[in-house]
Formats: sequence, structure tokens, C-alpha cells
Amino acid sequence: RKEVEQDPGPFNVPEGATVAFNCTYSNSASQSFFWYRQDCRKEPKLLMSVYSSGNEDGRFTAQLNRASQYISLLIRDSKLSDSATYLCVVNLNTGGFKTIFGAGTRLFVKA
Amino acid sequence: GAVVSQHPSRVICKSGTSVKIECRSLDFQATTMFWYRQFPKQSLMLMATSNEGSKATYEQGVEKDKFLINHASLTLSTLTVTSAHPEDSSFYICSAREGRSSSEQYFGPGTRLTVT
Repeated sequence: RKEVEQDPGPFNVPEGATVAFNCTYSNSASQSFFWYRQDCRKEPKLLMSVYSSGNEDGRFTAQLNRASQYISLLIRDSKLSDSATYLCVVNLNTGGFKTIFGAGTRLFVKA
Repeated sequence: GAVVSQHPSRVICKSGTSVKIECRSLDFQATTMFWYRQFPKQSLMLMATSNEGSKATYEQGVEKDKFLINHASLTLSTLTVTSAHPEDSSFYICSAREGRSSSEQYFGPGTRLTVT
């Protein structure tokens, strides 16, 4: 089982739609959680951190469920510019700091 | 915000030659730098973790003698791909972390290596 699992998609949605991604992690020692966005042939860029209390930034809402070990990202009112790959990222600290990336979920927003 | 640069952004080399990639933190001191590799349509895979002034810690399956990492200062880490082969062609990305307790990483723009 992969340490961080995501549905690879692709998700094809029309502009204005609401879309949600989930990510599950297997290591209960996971300490911090992030969503990154990666455009084709570019480096990942931090989208937002994820907290148990939820984190909202404009059209984006991230949520962490520690009991079920999953993270979610909700995008409301999708824009064409939201088309990208969204990476779920988990930091572990098991005697050493380690970052695990999910394989990413591809999103295509169409006009 | 924190900025990380990489150089070169793109390199083409012949099989058997060595290539050095530089990763610099421009406006902060990076106690730890990470080197990742990403093949097309795949996730980033951590190759090694580099702490300033000490030897890098390599992930399982990554040959330390092939991928030489040097983190000589708090703002510079280098990755040298020695005796490159076509299967080493990939997107190499570095990231840097400011403090030991910081969990956020700042990514460089990546280096696309093509070995012919």
C-alpha cells in the first residue's frame, strides 16, 4: 500500500463547477499536511496547509480527518486557470524528517 | 516569500558524461535541502536529504556514488549525476527548508536533464 494515495483522475469539469479531491495516508506518525499545485513541466507550488479545524482560502477549502487518515481539497467555482495536478503532501517525523508526495490528481477545467 | 533557484533549468548531455545541478536558497538559510526526481506523469520521488555540513542521506534504491550531493553552505547544494545514462533523463527538483522545526519546503524551478 502506498504511503499517500490519491485518485489520479483526470477530473474533467466545466467552469464554475465544484470539485473535490481526497487523499489517504497510511502512517499515523504523519504530522503535517499540505496541498501543492503542479503545472505541467513546472515545480510544485504550495497551495495551502491542511488542519483538522479546516483551512479556507478563497475558493479553496482543505480539511484533515486524522481519525480516518484522509485529507480533502474542495475547489468552488472552478476557473480555467485551476487546471493542474494537485499533490497531496504529508510530512513524517519518525526519528528523521521525511516528506511523502502523492502521485497527484489531474484536473481539467473546460469552458 | 522564500525563493529557491536552480541552475541550469535545462541540460542535454551525452551518455557517460557528468552533470552538475545547483540549488540555491536566495533569501534564507537552508539547513536542509532535498533532491527529488520526477519522471513523466509520475509523482516526485525523494532521492536524498542533505543537511549543511554533513553527508547526505539517500533513499533506498538511489546510488550515492552515482548521484553525488554536496551541501557545503547554508545557501547552496549541488547534485552531480555521474556517468549519466539515458535512463537518468528526468526532471530534477530541489527544495529547501529554513529551520529544523519548519515543515514547509520551498521548491526550485527544476532542471530538465536529457541524456542522449
